[in-house]
Amino acid sequence: NAGVTQTPKFRVLKTGQSMTLLCAQDMNHEYMYWYRQDPGMGLRLIHYSVGEGTTAKGEVPDGYNVSRLKKQNFLLGLESAAPSQTSVYFCASSYSTGIGYTFGSGTRLTVV
Amino acid sequence: AQSVTQPDIHITVSEGASLELRCNYSYGATPYLFWYVQSPGQGLQLLLKYFSGDTLVQGIKGFEAEFKRSQSSFNLRKPSVHWSDAAEYFCAVGARGSSNTGKLIFGQGTTLQVKP
Repeated sequence: NAGVTQTPKFRVLKTGQSMTLLCAQDMNHEYMYWYRQDPGMGLRLIHYSVGEGTTAKGEVPDGYNVSRLKKQNFLLGLESAAPSQTSVYFCASSYSTGIGYTFGSGTRLTVV
Repeated sequence: AQSVTQPDIHITVSEGASLELRCNYSYGATPYLFWYVQSPGQGLQLLLKYFSGDTLVQGIKGFEAEFKRSQSSFNLRKPSVHWSDAAEYFCAVGARGSSNTGKLIFGQGTTLQVKP
């Protein structure tokens, strides 16, 4: 049972480039989330989804887009990367509310 | 708006000593409460959670936490720390209710260093 898988694990982008981060879960979870982690700021919610075909903005959505065309996948896109998007990105999923998340191992993104 | 505060950014304890990590939250009602642990270069792992009922909850790896409604706190404790407990610890809160989206708000994290 793989749980939550994030690809890629590391990436370096130049300013203005685009990329997509993939999150895949094999637990049939309804809820999926994208967070970014920056030193001293904890985890901040970027976007989330409460089911297939749904997405919603979190606390820090600017500069990011998401899609959830299949229940098991949640994609995070950066259309035009900026140095301020240098961060570690975590995907998480949950079967229901109030029970906690299963996290992926993260993607470390550097924008130069 | 919900918020979570972990007052201690960095804590150092000796191996075998007791540990308490503080977490205070701001929320209009009793939220769901969680503690997660993150080892270097890894994702976050759920240690324990408070849903309802007994205010003292037991988790994995010998950790426990106590929910105190009057103090809006959910402090994490361990009676005897092991060197392998060195990690970053995050407290998180989630809203209850019919429109609950499962979103969690995380604190800034506390880094635990264990001295031999």
